[in-house]
Amino acid sequence: QKEVEQNSGPLSVPEGAIASLNCTYSDRGSQSFFWYRQYSGKSPELIMSIYSNGDKEDGRFTAQLNKASQYVSLLIRDSQPSDSATYLCAVNPSRSNAGKSTFGDGTTLTVKP
Amino acid sequence: GAVVSQHPSRVICKSGTSVKIECRSLDFQATTMFWYRQFPKQSLMLMATSNEGSKATYEQGVEKDKFLINHASLTLSTLTVTSAHPEDSSFYICSARPGGYTFGSGTRLTVV
Repeated sequence: QKEVEQNSGPLSVPEGAIASLNCTYSDRGSQSFFWYRQYSGKSPELIMSIYSNGDKEDGRFTAQLNKASQYVSLLIRDSQPSDSATYLCAVNPSRSNAGKSTFGDGTTLTVKP
Repeated sequence: GAVVSQHPSRVICKSGTSVKIECRSLDFQATTMFWYRQFPKQSLMLMATSNEGSKATYEQGVEKDKFLINHASLTLSTLTVTSAHPEDSSFYICSARPGGYTFGSGTRLTVV
């Protein structure tokens, strides 16, 4: 079992729809959870971080964390073609060691105009 | 803030040669930098943790004599791929702490 698992996709949604990306992790002691967006040929960029159970909203993005189920998700509302990218879920065992994260393989999202 | 610069962005080298990749923190002092490698359509894999003024900590399975890391100052860490082989061709990315959420722009290494 991988430490961090994501559906590889590709996930395709029409423009304006909600895209839902899911991630599960195996280390029950994980403390920090991150979503990164990576365009083809580019390095990842952080779009959301979440530390506590529940929802965290930032613009069109909402991260949801359920530590009991070891599950974290990312919702993208009003999806735009520019959101087409690979989304990486990352999990960290502590709050302070943000750089030493374990990454999932990523979900490729395509938003069709 | 928290800008991490990486150079070069692309490099092609011959098999058997060495390649140096630089990672700089531009607007903060980085006591710790992380080096990742990403093969096509795969996830980021942590290679090593670079600490200023001390030896790097390598992840299991990463050859420390092949991937030399030097973190001589609070703003610069270098990764040298020694005696590169085609299987070392990959996308190498650094990140720095504090500012550990920010990655450098990455270096695409192709060994021919």
